[in-house]
Amino acid sequence: QIQLVQSGPELKKPGETVKISCKASGYTFTNYGMNWVKQAPGKGLKWMGWINTNTGEPTYAEEFKGRFAFSLETSASTAYLQINNLKNEDTATYFCARSGTARATSYFDYWGQGTTLTVSS
Amino acid sequence: DIVMTQSPATLSVTPGDRVSLSCRASQSISDYLHWYQQKSHESPRLLIKYASQSISGIPSRFSGSGSGSDFTLSINSVEPEDVGVYYCQNGHSFPTFGGGTKLEIK
Repeated sequence: QIQLVQSGPELKKPGETVKISCKASGYTFTNYGMNWVKQAPGKGLKWMGWINTNTGEPTYAEEFKGRFAFSLETSASTAYLQINNLKNEDTATYFCARSGTARATSYFDYWGQGTTLTVSS
Repeated sequence: DIVMTQSPATLSVTPGDRVSLSCRASQSISDYLHWYQQKSHESPRLLIKYASQSISGIPSRFSGSGSGSDFTLSINSVEPEDVGVYYCQNGHSFPTFGGGTKLEIK
């Protein structure tokens, strides 16, 4: 069965860096793009961007350009989200979500369980 | 960016009711509209794709309709397990989500 398994909760200080992983199984990793979605405490869903798992090319939503980086370890069917220079407002749950098609604009048919990031001094 | 507006923000219903949740796009998105359910402390789950296409494993009481800029998610005969927040998502351009409709059971 198709699964996306994310890394565990993180507690970081402002200014630090975090790298969250999303390991896929049950399908051919490079056939479907991977998206990242942010959910701040008590808030809705916000699409951060996606990475083309075939070419490795990332696309970022405007708000997430600069401190955010998507990457892949294709041999391990794993996608990564790195956030640099952490700020308090990065406190949120981050989900990876598989694109249902090969396009950047798609529905998200499988989701990871979410990784909770807390940024606090 | 295309702005997605959902209404109402909260819906309180009785088991067995038929309910309709609304989603409006700030411009036409054809049928590139997808619906998700998120239960408390869980990941979102895809319910409907392309406005009205059903998803394997999703109960048949969930259905979607609409095109252009106005869309509806209907739940025929609500069950207590349907409690959660429902989000629509624009799939026409860079994805954007509506603010969600919280479904409560009276």
